[in-house]
Amino acid sequence: DAKTTQPPSMDCAEGRAANLPCNHSTISGNEYVYWYRQIHSQGPQYIIHGLKNNETNEMASLIITEDRKSSTLILPHATLRDTAVYYCIVSSMEYGNKLVFGAGTILRVKS
Amino acid sequence: KAGVTQTPRYLIKTRGQQVTLSCSPISGHRSVSWYQQTPGQGLQFLFEYFSETQRNKGNFPGRFSGRQFSNSRSEMNVSTLELGDSALYLCASSLPSQETQYFGPGTRLLVL
Repeated sequence: DAKTTQPPSMDCAEGRAANLPCNHSTISGNEYVYWYRQIHSQGPQYIIHGLKNNETNEMASLIITEDRKSSTLILPHATLRDTAVYYCIVSSMEYGNKLVFGAGTILRVKS
Repeated sequence: KAGVTQTPRYLIKTRGQQVTLSCSPISGHRSVSWYQQTPGQGLQFLFEYFSETQRNKGNFPGRFSGRQFSNSRSEMNVSTLELGDSALYLCASSLPSQETQYFGPGTRLLVL
């Protein structure tokens, strides 16, 4: 499985965009980039995923660089409820349904 | 559509005992994966079941086992509990052809 590198923590002001970076320089061609988040003591929540193109849903946007070696998760208008640990994961069905979680980024949204 | 449910939510056991945790996937999801989360090791993959067969396995001792039933519900069992087995055990389900996993709230196990 390709490994990812994320900053251990980030702060964001409420109402502003939160931009969470992720490096995945060893990603292979059939691996997707997934983002999950975990609010304290709850199960991880799926946010978004992508292969090559940028993706947007009701929760966030995912920007993947052209060489696919890094990506950015964007929460357009962060709220206090977005305070959580955010995990960037690369995965493909080649390994079955198995997610390899790193330490993630603790995002603290402050008022 | 109901989400992934796990029972029980909290459990206290003593060393040497065994425990069985249950997971009901989202309707239509046939793949069920289990994860262990501890403060020291983070979230770690235990195993995945699909169509009642273990399809993938993480690096855990044989004391950890699981099974899946014909209705896709899954159970995991831990025998001869150790203090280090205290953790949040998470179950996730997905459609067969998709990797997007949807997690349940977890079972918090405390081993005394």
